[in-house]
Amino acid sequence: AQKITQTQPGMFVQEKEAVTLDCTYDTSDPSYGLFWYKQPSSGEMIFLIYQGSYDQQNATEGRYSLNFQKARKSANLVISASQLGDSAMYFCAMREGPDYKLSFGAGTTVTVRA
Amino acid sequence: GAVVSQHPSWVICKSGTSVKIECRSLDFQATTMFWYRQFPKQSLMLMATSNEGSKATYEQGVEKDKFLINHASLTLSTLTVTSAHPEDSSFYICSARNRDSVTETQYFGPGTRLLVL
Repeated sequence: AQKITQTQPGMFVQEKEAVTLDCTYDTSDPSYGLFWYKQPSSGEMIFLIYQGSYDQQNATEGRYSLNFQKARKSANLVISASQLGDSAMYFCAMREGPDYKLSFGAGTTVTVRA
Repeated sequence: GAVVSQHPSWVICKSGTSVKIECRSLDFQATTMFWYRQFPKQSLMLMATSNEGSKATYEQGVEKDKFLINHASLTLSTLTVTSAHPEDSSFYICSARNRDSVTETQYFGPGTRLLVL
């Protein structure tokens, strides 16, 4: 079974608008971590934001915020005030328990239009 | 902080040759590094986990004799693609776990594009 599901293969967003990228996860471990990475066309994977399973508040990092709904097992990424440089592929990933390995979703390609 | 370098960024080689890719954590110690493979427009596929001073752990279906991994120090792991063939052409990317990070975040190198002719 898929541990991380990203149902949006691609999205278009107008510059300066906000965009929400969906991510749902599946785990029975009470301790886990959720990550979002950005991969521009150059290929590098850029760490954006982290949410721990025990964190009470939603994580925020600049224009990135994570809408963490634990009961629904969702960890959606919100990018506010989109910029042309936000055009990239975005991956949601999960680390479970003591295992350091990450499970990645299929990714969502975001294209920001001027 | 948390910078990972990878070298080379591009390599083109003839079929049958071996290619070594280096992954270095520049400003932190990484007891664990990971090697991934990625095909165009697809997600990352974990190949192996590299632990400093011990043998690498390979994922199911990854040939350990084909993809040799060495993690000789706390800042360096290498992946050697032995007797490369055209089907090995891919984007290889490493990551390093920052053990001093509370979140255990993996930081990625810039990747290596391998083309085997």
